[in-house]
Amino acid sequence: AQKVTQAQTEISVVEKEDVTLDCVYETRDTTYYLFWYKQPPSGELVFLIRRNSFDEQNEISGRYSWNFQKSTSSFNFTITASQVVDSAVYFCALSEAGDNFNKFYFGSGTKLNVKP
Amino acid sequence: EAQVTQNPRYLITVTGKKLTVTCSQNMNHEYMSWYRQDPGLGLRQIYYSMNVEVTDKGDVPEGYKVSRKEKRNFPLILESPSPNQTSLYFCASRRTALNTEAFFGQGTRLTVV
Repeated sequence: AQKVTQAQTEISVVEKEDVTLDCVYETRDTTYYLFWYKQPPSGELVFLIRRNSFDEQNEISGRYSWNFQKSTSSFNFTITASQVVDSAVYFCALSEAGDNFNKFYFGSGTKLNVKP
Repeated sequence: EAQVTQNPRYLITVTGKKLTVTCSQNMNHEYMSWYRQDPGLGLRQIYYSMNVEVTDKGDVPEGYKVSRKEKRNFPLILESPSPNQTSLYFCASRRTALNTEAFFGQGTRLTVV
């Protein structure tokens, strides 16, 4: 079974629209860590955020915000007032603290196209 | 500047010709790993290393080898590349295996013909 599911393969929006990228994870560990990475067209992977399982507070960083809900095992990412520079593939990832602590599980990614 | 450096960035090779992709980090990180990225599959872990001389298989290790003789370097070796190893490869390092984000190299696009 997939540890991290990003059901949206590709999303297209027009600049200034808000967009939410979904991430659903699966783990039996009580301690775990969630991450989001951005992969722009140039190909590198850029770290965006880390959240541990004990901290359910939502996080806001500029136009970016993250909604962590343990009850639904989701860690969704919202971009407010999207811009063309936000066009990228976004990956959600999970790291567990139990037996598989050395693994880093990635979702399959969501490609975001922001059109001018 | 803290970074993970991979070389080469692009490589086209022929089936069966041994190749090595180098990876070096300057952050004194204990944990390093290799991933391959294929369309629709996200990133899948090939091998990882918890520290010097400690390596282990990830989810897709077949056809690959690694070594960790020094803390900063973690080369990926393809002894006999095949076309199904055509992919985008990323090296990553983390300060430790637990509760730390991964820093990635710029990627190596490998084509095996």
